[in-house]
Amino acid sequence: DVKVTQSSRYLVKRTGEKVFLECVQDMDHENMFWYRQDPGLGLRLIYFSYDVKMKEKGDIPEGYSVSREKKERFSLILESASTNQTSMYLCASNRPGQGLNQPQHFGDGTRLSIL
Amino acid sequence: DAKTTQPPSMDCAEGRAANLPCNHSTISGNEYVYWYRQIHSQGPQYIIHGLKNNETNEMASLIITEDRKSSTLILPHATLRDTAVYYCIVMIYNQGGKLIFGQGTELSVKP
Repeated sequence: DVKVTQSSRYLVKRTGEKVFLECVQDMDHENMFWYRQDPGLGLRLIYFSYDVKMKEKGDIPEGYSVSREKKERFSLILESASTNQTSMYLCASNRPGQGLNQPQHFGDGTRLSIL
Repeated sequence: DAKTTQPPSMDCAEGRAANLPCNHSTISGNEYVYWYRQIHSQGPQYIIHGLKNNETNEMASLIITEDRKSSTLILPHATLRDTAVYYCIVMIYNQGGKLIFGQGTELSVKP
């Protein structure tokens, strides 16, 4: 089975801190994604990466950056955390198919609280 | 972007079939329908996907209408562990498969 592991289930940080969220997948997937999930707003894409050192902005990249130095690891960085970044963060990965995007497999999420 | 609409909530008796509907009237010809679910405090879990033919796997069946404007996810024998929010999603191609989750259907399986 595909395993997507997020480093923390719960995290509490302070306003202005630089925050790192880590995600590792064990299935050699090319694509990796970071989403945030908020009540009433559903799932929103922050950034995604389709290869090592490649990244693309999603719908809400402001205030975030990402790093993909190795294929299996995709990090989300909150440059200067703010209270409106309190959310559930979800990492996902998949292998691009030929004309068919394969299902995305998700980690269990990191519930981040910014105080 | 194609959007989906689902009922906000449904109940199902344990052991009975759960039929979850989804409307996607603006779906494009090359877009697939995906179903995910999310159990409380967990990440979303992939269930099944299809283009225009009906599909079945060990978890569920997917019935897509001939005009592709709607689909139904069927859990043949629902259990209490199937209680979750179920999301019907249309896959968009231009961003490597970005998923757009709507509000989903909260399915409650009752004993």
